Amino acid sequence: GDSVTQMEGPVTLSEEAFLTINCTYTATGYPSLFWYVQYPGEGLQLLLKATKADDKGSNKGFEATYRKETTSFHLEKGSVQVSDSAVYFCALSAKNTGGFKTIFGAGTRLFVKA
Amino acid sequence: DTGVSQDPRHKITKRGQNVTFRCDPISEHNRLYWYRQTLGQGPEFLTYFQNEAQLEKSRLLSDRFSAERPKGSFSTLEIQRTEQGDSAMYLCASSPSLGESEQYFGPGTRLTVT
Repeated sequence: GDSVTQMEGPVTLSEEAFLTINCTYTATGYPSLFWYVQYPGEGLQLLLKATKADDKGSNKGFEATYRKETTSFHLEKGSVQVSDSAVYFCALSAKNTGGFKTIFGAGTRLFVKA
Repeated sequence: DTGVSQDPRHKITKRGQNVTFRCDPISEHNRLYWYRQTLGQGPEFLTYFQNEAQLEKSRLLSDRFSAERPKGSFSTLEIQRTEQGDSAMYLCASSPSLGESEQYFGPGTRLTVT
């Protein structure tokens, strides 16, 4: 079945460091790919998305490119801030017989130190 | 619009008791999803509604679990004869009927079964 695998955390970085969180997926068909973020004490919210191969999603300085050939959707940010400390979830959404089903990775916790 | 709301936010119950959770989606959203999230894991899909129709149920949703969305607006998730393994955060999300749209998540209901 469809699945998402992302790098285990926690990831600890100093402010202004470069961030990469790896995400790979397994899916039949052509899913849409998402990164959701959960800040401390808050609900999940969409960070960025890409709906087809080679699309790049971007938001708040974060980027991820839909790579069909490597089935990957790695999250990157050039210079992290303390306020980026959160849990990041990679997810895919694929149409199935009932509608659309979203599969989430296990999440990667990011700590950014001042 | 106040976003997706869930009630209660916390529920502590004894094993064997029944519990019911409520989710109020964003008013114009046709789709409603229930997920379960345990510590250190991503949300696991439970079930999905398109208006009042329940289109898909995960195999995680045993016969002790039932969900309804009687008028296509709010939804309830009931767990009968709770077990300690049911302890988790139960998340509700909604989205408009526009392809594979972003999901908007509520704050969740944390269930503890003692």
